[in-house]
Amino acid sequence: QVQLVESGGGVVQPGRSLRLSCAASGFTFSNFAMHWVRQAPGKGLEWVALIWYDGSKTYYADSVKGRFTISRDSSKYTVFLQMNTLRAEDTAVYYCARDEPSLSFFDYWGPGTLVTVSS
Amino acid sequence: QSVLTQPPSVSGAPGQRVTISCTGSSSNIGTGYDVHWYQQLPGTAPKLLIYGNNNRPSGVPDRFSGSRSGTSASLAITGLQAEDEADYYCQSYDTSLSGLYVFGTGTKVTVL
Repeated sequence: QVQLVESGGGVVQPGRSLRLSCAASGFTFSNFAMHWVRQAPGKGLEWVALIWYDGSKTYYADSVKGRFTISRDSSKYTVFLQMNTLRAEDTAVYYCARDEPSLSFFDYWGPGTLVTVSS
Repeated sequence: QSVLTQPPSVSGAPGQRVTISCTGSSSNIGTGYDVHWYQQLPGTAPKLLIYGNNNRPSGVPDRFSGSRSGTSASLAITGLQAEDEADYYCQSYDTSLSGLYVFGTGTKVTVL
């Protein structure tokens, strides 16, 4: 069965960096694009970033463009989110999600990892 | 920031029917992009509920149904049950500059 498990969250000071990981299993990882989606405490869902199945293209929400970088290691079935110059408004639960390519939706989600940006 | 608008809350008694609207614009739903729905139970990750406007993944009860028309979509829950109490989000694809994938503002369903 498809499983996605995020890790790497924690408390970080404003302006610092953090790297999240998402370990995938139960499907052929190299065939699927992957996303990061976040949810601030008590708020709604916000799409963050997308990486194509082969890593050749990446896309970002305006709110993180230039500060966050999504990447993947298909040999390790893992997708990453490098977050630089973190701000208080980046505080959220970060979810990894698999892309369903034909209709552009998220068919499987991980349980999420909490990132808190605070001094 | 969300570009799809949903009512903050809806409620109903067990067995009743409730509907949740999702209003978009010409850069997303109005362009013809499909609408998808997710259910988020308290303290858990979102789960796919409806895809492609009106399709249910395996395991989702047929009490849940979706539709799309013009720049809007809706989710209906018939025969409301206590375990349906959750947050519900619509999602679509968007061609504006702010982001490719957009979510609704979210609706809290309360079973009275």
